[in-house]
Amino acid sequence: GQNIDQPTEMTATEGAIVQINCTYQTSGFNGLFWYQQHAGEAPTFLSYNVLDGLEEKGRFSSFLSRSKGYSYLLLKELQMKDSASYLCAGFDRGSTLGRLYFGRGTQLTVWP
Amino acid sequence: EADIYQTPRYLVIGTGKKITLECSQTMGHDKMYWYQQDPGMELHLIHYSYGVNSTEKGDLSSESTVSRIRTEHFPLTLESARPSHTSQYLCASREGNYGYTFGSGTRLTVV
Repeated sequence: GQNIDQPTEMTATEGAIVQINCTYQTSGFNGLFWYQQHAGEAPTFLSYNVLDGLEEKGRFSSFLSRSKGYSYLLLKELQMKDSASYLCAGFDRGSTLGRLYFGRGTQLTVWP
Repeated sequence: EADIYQTPRYLVIGTGKKITLECSQTMGHDKMYWYQQDPGMELHLIHYSYGVNSTEKGDLSSESTVSRIRTEHFPLTLESARPSHTSQYLCASREGNYGYTFGSGTRLTVV
């Protein structure tokens, strides 16, 4: 299977840094996506890691270790608008479909 | 600008009614997907399509059906809605090795 695990909930204060972890079974995935989903809205793309290491994009960074089946999303200088669910998704490029397998999401609440 | 559109955004319907959820994309993507998402749960793939006239069922057993007569259009139909179909339905498309682009979703309530 493609079990993807991430914490259910996290809280942090404005201006802080938060790291959301994601673990998965190492076989089958060729990359790791992170999506942000606000309540009642569609997921929006944040980052994609296909190689090991850190990808930085503004206040958001994402890290991948393929050998360990581990990724994290790092959010800096938190803002109230960052309160959302963050979805980790493994990319199975081996299938013709090229589909994503999603975790349950981590609900992040940012307090003033 | 690339976009994917879903209508209606919200729908409340009685048990036994037939409904069609619309999904259209303007990006010319071949691959399209329908996901079902309940609150606090992961997205479950219910249907997907490689291209025109190509549709397959996903992981989650679903009583819905889909069609792909045109590249840009991937509607989902429930022949007889039941309360167990109450959920959010998300349509997505992708091209190449990029991630999905999602529509805004349809929140369906069957009473």
